[in-house]
Amino acid sequence: AQTVTQSQPEMSVQEAETVTLSCTYDTSESDYYLFWYKQPPSRQMILVIRQEAYKQQNATENRFSVNFQKAAKSFSLKISDSQLGDAAMYFCAYRRRQGAQKLVFGQGTRLTINP
Amino acid sequence: EAEVAQSPRYKITEKSQAVAFWCDPISGHATLYWYRQILGQGPELLVQFQDESVVDDSQLPKDRFSAERLKGVDSTLKIQPAELGDSAMYLCASTEGREPYNEQFFGPGTRLTVL
Repeated sequence: AQTVTQSQPEMSVQEAETVTLSCTYDTSESDYYLFWYKQPPSRQMILVIRQEAYKQQNATENRFSVNFQKAAKSFSLKISDSQLGDAAMYFCAYRRRQGAQKLVFGQGTRLTINP
Repeated sequence: EAEVAQSPRYKITEKSQAVAFWCDPISGHATLYWYRQILGQGPELLVQFQDESVVDDSQLPKDRFSAERLKGVDSTLKIQPAELGDSAMYLCASTEGREPYNEQFFGPGTRLTVL
């Protein structure tokens, strides 16, 4: 079975600074996706960024980028120029590539932005 | 912008009572998921539908939980009888089922408190 581990229950960062959230996963599959989801307080979960396992290039979306280390099974999220609106729970998630498969989530990291 | 709808947003019930949650996925999305998110943890899949058929209910406590999607559109998740340990956020998600990403879109969730 696939597992996802986020070892940082809470993180905080000063506004405009950079923060990195960590995630490790375990799978015997070779073809899969990795995701970071954001869950703001009392609002729905939204996709921040995705990474295809077959791609060596790290994904980027504006201020969000990932460091994907396939051999190490590591998938960290870097948020640059942190903004107050970035405050939320962040979940790392795994999904097998083929078909409409379920997401396997980590435990989450609560990110606080200090003004 | 189309969204996944869920109701109610909040539900408080006493143990041994029956509760039901409703989800209306984005129009045209064939795959529907129910996840349970216990406070401080990541969501875990309870049941997955493809149209009106159950694809995965391996983690659904079938002695007390039931789910249906009769016409392959909206879905209902029921708990009878509710137990204290059922207190959690119940998230519904849907996906169009189109490769390559099969992105899942989440509803706002139903927060259940069992007293």
